[in-house]
Amino acid sequence: TQLLEQSPQFLSIQEGENLTVYCNSSSVFSSLQWYRQEPGEGPVLLVTVVTGGEVKKLKRLTFQFGDARKDSSLHITAAQPGDTGLYLCAGEKVGNFNKFYFGSGTKLNVKP
Amino acid sequence: GAVVSQHPSWVICKSGTSVKIECRSLDFQATTMFWYRQFPKQSLMLMATSNEGSKATYEQGVEKDKFLINHASLTLSTLTVTSAHPEDSSFYICSAGPGAGNTIYFGEGSWLTVV
Repeated sequence: TQLLEQSPQFLSIQEGENLTVYCNSSSVFSSLQWYRQEPGEGPVLLVTVVTGGEVKKLKRLTFQFGDARKDSSLHITAAQPGDTGLYLCAGEKVGNFNKFYFGSGTKLNVKP
Repeated sequence: GAVVSQHPSWVICKSGTSVKIECRSLDFQATTMFWYRQFPKQSLMLMATSNEGSKATYEQGVEKDKFLINHASLTLSTLTVTSAHPEDSSFYICSAGPGAGNTIYFGEGSWLTVV
């Protein structure tokens, strides 16, 4: 079983639409990261959240860490075709410095 | 530029042979490196934690005798897939840390195809 479950698994939307990806777990994390990965490449870090309830914005992307540090969400406003990719959340378990477990992944396709 | 480099990027080997993948931290000393495996259209699965100068610790279900990990220096960890089989074909990715900002960095990944 996956430590972190993401939903939805697949998302296909039109350019300009908004979307939210969820990352849920029953475990508490010291920090949580979001990555985007292109086919055949390593994941690229988008953001790290460390404080319960924390909200971070990166242009059209808004990341939130749950109050209990067990879940997170990624919201994209006015999605663009360039946002297409595999989005992965990764949690750093308490007491395991820099050891990240990845979520199940969300494959996003933004159609022009 | 990349701060963690993997080599080779692509490798094809025959079934039954062994293949080694290297993970190097280019401008920092990595006391810990992590190895992940990713099958097509799936997420990254943590295989093992590699600590410099000590034995690697493996995640549940990962065969330590099949996936040999050596972290002999602060800038290099190697993953050797022994007696490879077609089902070992996958994308292998390492991460290393702590780097600048006390964070980890991912390598570009290595594609292994066993024929």
